[in-house]
Amino acid sequence: DAGVIQSPRHEVTEMGQEVTLRCKPISGHNSLFWYRQTMMRGLELLIYFNNNVPIDDSGMPEDRFSAKMPNASFSTLKIQPSEPRDSAVYFCASTRQGRISEAFFGQGTRLTVV
Amino acid sequence: RKEVEQDPGPFNVPEGATVAFNCTYSNSASQSFFWYRQDCRKEPKLLMSVYSSGNEDGRFTAQLNRASQYISLLIRDSKLSDSATYLCVAVSGGYNKLIFGAGTRLAVHP
Repeated sequence: DAGVIQSPRHEVTEMGQEVTLRCKPISGHNSLFWYRQTMMRGLELLIYFNNNVPIDDSGMPEDRFSAKMPNASFSTLKIQPSEPRDSAVYFCASTRQGRISEAFFGQGTRLTVV
Repeated sequence: RKEVEQDPGPFNVPEGATVAFNCTYSNSASQSFFWYRQDCRKEPKLLMSVYSSGNEDGRFTAQLNRASQYISLLIRDSKLSDSATYLCVAVSGGYNKLIFGAGTRLAVHP
């Protein structure tokens, strides 16, 4: 059974470029979370969706960040324009809403902005 | 102030030792709690849930103190394979918002 799938696994880009991270949640899960992890700040919740609707985006650092979930099986996190301080590991996680259950994480995208 | 706070460590302990981690949360409306484990350069994975009455899973014991708003994880008879970062999680809101602490790093040495 496939878990949460993220792509790409690694991304190196130049400052100012647009970056798009992708996530496919586990089939049947209706909550999806985007997190960013750095040594300094740990695992920060950026935004989460329930039934494809953004519920809370208060963790999105600034307008350069945007996220969409056009359907139940796909979500994107976009950074435009990217900056070196955006370098981090970005995780996507999904869970089944309705009862509090285990969140399954993708393997993450390691983003480096130079 | 962060919503979930943990001592970052590292905790360096010998094999066989008992080690305990604490975590505090600021949102009194949080209704569920978990411990996750994260190995180096890997994604977090669920270790165990934390129940109000406390719960045990083999060498691991989790406890919740709602009055003081903290949760704890006790690891007995530490193994080398327990070396990892342990993340505590508080869940709140109608849509189960999962907030993670920054993690506590554990290093078990021979």
